[in-house]
Amino acid sequence: KAGVTQTPRYLIKTRGQQVTLSCSPISGHRSVSWYQQTPGQGLQFLFEYFSETQRNKGNFPGRFSGRQFSNSRSEMNVSTLELGDSALYLCASSFDFWGRQFFGPGTRLTVL
Amino acid sequence: DAKTTQPNSMESNEEEPVHLPCNHSTISGTDYIHWYRQLPSQGPEYVIHGLTSNVNNRMASLAIAEDRKSSTLILHRATLRDAAVYYCILKGYYGGSQGNLIFGKGTKLSVKP
Repeated sequence: KAGVTQTPRYLIKTRGQQVTLSCSPISGHRSVSWYQQTPGQGLQFLFEYFSETQRNKGNFPGRFSGRQFSNSRSEMNVSTLELGDSALYLCASSFDFWGRQFFGPGTRLTVL
Repeated sequence: DAKTTQPNSMESNEEEPVHLPCNHSTISGTDYIHWYRQLPSQGPEYVIHGLTSNVNNRMASLAIAEDRKSSTLILHRATLRDAAVYYCILKGYYGGSQGNLIFGKGTKLSVKP
């Protein structure tokens, strides 16, 4: 089975712009979670989707949003980018809530 | 989610066993103990998980204390490829459970040749 894929792998944006990141889960997995990783804060949970519904959300401002499509693919969007949004954004998929999570390689976002 | 405490860093020699400790004194009866690791420049990967009994898989063993307030991840023969940050995470399993993982700082394992 193909692993979790994330596109793009690298992205450079400027402050005030918006960005959309994409995640394709492992075939058959219905749950997709997003995480932000920075040197200062470590790995922090953003949100979790299951069958196109947001199940859980981390403590991030409303500029961070996401959605999941009927084929389980997911996108996350960050509007009005700030310098502090520079981070590695990781997507993980699992068959259900309780299963092990499989992580993608991440999207490295740099905000200038 | 209950918190875990891990040493910031550990060192090991190649081909020797490594014991990575984790304290979780506030663990509840429904919490499973999960271990993930993150190799440099990669996303985290699942290592092992357990509830009460010791668990073994091809990657590692998980030893869980009888009172479940602590656990130890055991790498039987460390290789250079095992150099990574290891995260011990508690994950509850009950109705309405959330699927996400709450990561702490983890233990950075260095392996010397």
